[in-house]
Amino acid sequence: GAVVSQHPSWVICKSGTSVKIECRSLDFQATTMFWYRQFPKQSLMLMATSNEGSKATYEQGVEKDKFLINHASLTLSTLTVTSAHPEDSSFYICSARDTGRETGELFFGEGSRLTVL
Amino acid sequence: GQNIDQPTEMTATEGAIVQINCTYQTSGFNGLFWYQQHAGEAPTFLSYNVLDGLEEKGRFSSFLSRSKGYSYLLLKELQMKDSASYLCAVKDSNYQLIWGAGTKLIIKP
Repeated sequence: GAVVSQHPSWVICKSGTSVKIECRSLDFQATTMFWYRQFPKQSLMLMATSNEGSKATYEQGVEKDKFLINHASLTLSTLTVTSAHPEDSSFYICSARDTGRETGELFFGEGSRLTVL
Repeated sequence: GQNIDQPTEMTATEGAIVQINCTYQTSGFNGLFWYQQHAGEAPTFLSYNVLDGLEEKGRFSSFLSRSKGYSYLLLKELQMKDSASYLCAVKDSNYQLIWGAGTKLIIKP
């Protein structure tokens, strides 16, 4: 149980275009999901906390107008990278907490590798 | 500020034992997690400690000392597939996860 699925696994796009990444909790409901970015050989960097039915909470330094987050249902959150630039190329990972588990550990999606040309 | 320290890289031999340390200074404490992350993949959950002591799960064990702000992950009977980064994360008083930078473990035959 507690599976989080992320799509697409990898995407290549041209500079200036927008890319949408989906994150789904397959067998549990997630009122909160988290979006991370990870550059090569670096640790996870929390970008934002996605809240079902309300606005996302962005970490300091993350542009909310550039990284649009929508959490329209209890099993789906989307991250849209708008007007992508080469410096946005990174590994984007989502996670969700299964609140039904005592430990409350995070379950991660497979990650989406974005390359902006 | 909040800080989690772990070694950047460690090397060990197949079949041996390795201990990866993690020290933390956070605003409150509500549990400590260890995750494994293979290159190019998302992290996977290994262990969770909220009380002092040792939690054993197969070849992996995790230890916590809240008074010392210290944890370690112990990997026994190392296998080549254990080559990965190991991330220490602490849940603070606001239940936010604070992540360490990760320890890259290299296993040699």
